[in-house]
Order: sequence, then C-alpha cells, then structure tokens
Amino acid sequence: DGGITQSPKYLFRKEGQNVTLSCEQNLNHDAMYWYRQDPGQGLRLIYYSQIVNDFQKGDIAEGYSVSREKKESFPLTVTSAQKNPTAFYLCASTARTNYGYTFGSGTRLTVV
Amino acid sequence: GDSVTQMEGPVTLSEEAFLTINCTYTATGYPSLFWYVQYPGEGLQLLLKATKADDKGSNKGFEATYRKETTSFHLEKGSVQVSDSAVYFCALSDANSGTYKYIFGTGTRLKVLA
Repeated sequence: DGGITQSPKYLFRKEGQNVTLSCEQNLNHDAMYWYRQDPGQGLRLIYYSQIVNDFQKGDIAEGYSVSREKKESFPLTVTSAQKNPTAFYLCASTARTNYGYTFGSGTRLTVV
Repeated sequence: GDSVTQMEGPVTLSEEAFLTINCTYTATGYPSLFWYVQYPGEGLQLLLKATKADDKGSNKGFEATYRKETTSFHLEKGSVQVSDSAVYFCALSDANSGTYKYIFGTGTRLKVLA
C-alpha cells in the first residue's frame, strides 16, 4: 500500500547535537512538506519542496535544514541552532492541491 | 494573507449528541477546504473536503458544506461516538497559488463521554 513513512517514531537529542528525521513516500507525489506541531498551536510549516532538488522556507525555517535529492525522500535536519526543538514533527505530501495532503505518523523529538 | 479560524476546545459531548465544530476562513482566491482528524500520537488523516462553493463533503457520518457567502466550513455529525474523540483541524488550500501550501487552523479537541 502507498503511504508516507516517518522514522524514528521517538527521537532524543542532546544539547548541541544535530539530528535528522526521515520521511519517505511511495505515492509518486511531487510536493512534500515538513510541519511542526506544538500543543495548542496547530501546525506550522518549516520547509516544503515541489520538485526534486528544490525547496523553500516555510514560516519557521530557522534552525532547520532539508534536502530533496530524490522524489521519494525529504529528510529534515534539526540543527543545534534550533533552541527549542522539542515538538511533534509531521511530514506530508500531495500530488495536486485539491486532493489533500497525505501525512506520515510523525516523529516526537525531545531534548534531553 | 489567507487564514483559518476554528472554535476553541475542548468540546465535550455525551455519546449520541449532535456535533458542530465551527470553521471560518479568509482567502483572496477560491480555496479548497478540508477537515482533518488526528488521533493521539498519530499523524493527520483527511476526513472530508470541498473544492467549490456549495459543495458538501461527507465521510463516516461527518459533513461540512462550503459556504462562500459566510466564508465558513463547519463540521457536523448527527450522533457522535466515543471513538470520534480526537483533534479536528480545518484547512484551506489556494488552488491558484501554485505552491500547494495549506493553511491549518489551530485544531479543536473533541471528547466524547460514554
């Protein structure tokens, strides 16, 4: 079955460490997105990519980086510059605007 | 810019009660509108959608009608179940923007008591 796979489900980061969250889709979707979810704040867009080798900053890109070397993959790196990274991270993809997003099951990142 | 406003929660109902979760939007173009549902510890799932004015989206007993005159897309269900307890997000997508970005509301938590 087609879908989006995010890994790991839980991730712990030490202060000053970079960590990478994986997002893989087999839906043949062109566009992929990373959102951050904090309690009571809904979803905030970090980065998005509409085609391979191209991506744009969202509303809260500072302290994060991405790459899109393959259509299926859109990894997110949370760098040490992100001062408050503890959150639930969601990856999504879509083929066309009217079809809606397909979301992964999320990665919960905690700073220890 | 475009925005989505949802009623604040939590909304607490008894089983078999009628549900309404309000959603209004602001958009310069002609957006498509969506409701997503999120169960604890999971990602969001598309619940229903409407792509033009007066369209009614429906799924699993939930319904929402795209009202351009009131810029609203309220979610309704005639008889809720305990299993409907979740967080519900309203969202819009501007089909003319070319970016496929969605704007989400802040979510409304629904608790259904047996």
